[in-house]
Amino acid sequence: DVKVTQSSRYLVKRTGEKVFLECVQDMDHENMFWYRQDPGLGLRLIYFSYDVKMKEKGDIPEGYSVSREKKERFSLILESASTNQTSMYLCAIDSGSNTEAFFGQGTRLTVV
Amino acid sequence: GENVEQHPSTLSVQEGDSAVIKCTYSDSASNYFPWYKQELGKRPQLIIDIRSNVGEKKDQRIAVTLNKTAKHFSLHITETQPEDSAVYFCAANSNYQLIWGAGTKLIIKP
Repeated sequence: DVKVTQSSRYLVKRTGEKVFLECVQDMDHENMFWYRQDPGLGLRLIYFSYDVKMKEKGDIPEGYSVSREKKERFSLILESASTNQTSMYLCAIDSGSNTEAFFGQGTRLTVV
Repeated sequence: GENVEQHPSTLSVQEGDSAVIKCTYSDSASNYFPWYKQELGKRPQLIIDIRSNVGEKKDQRIAVTLNKTAKHFSLHITETQPEDSAVYFCAANSNYQLIWGAGTKLIIKP
């Protein structure tokens, strides 16, 4: 059974705080993704990574950074959280863009 | 950049009727088209996918059709049941990543 685990299910942070969202996989997949999900906007790609220490910007990278020091772990960092970053964050993995993607359970982040 | 448009955004059907969700894509090089279902409070999960070498694929009550010329693909659910209520996302691969539609909320009326 594929496991993609996000560190928190719910998170409440204050404006200006540095926020870390962690994603860990047990499938040994090369590709890891961070999406943001907002009603009516679908899944928007923030950053992705094809390999350790490698990262690529997605469609909405502003205000975010990522880290991938180990193959199984991909972290999303909000350097200075703002209220417009209140959202559901989903981590996903796959072994190629023409293969099944597996998602984490999501982290609902509220910035107050 | 490349995009995927999905319609309708909300679809309400009577239990037992059929539901059709449509997507169009922009990248003519796309060759993989998955559909994901996200139940309330849960993670998206793959329900069916189609590759560009076939025009139709069926799995019990769900089917997907692909028209590469028109860059259009559709999800068909027959004999809808309450457990089909969810948000459905289409996607197309482009430049080593998936481009996602905005999602369709399917409501099954009893």
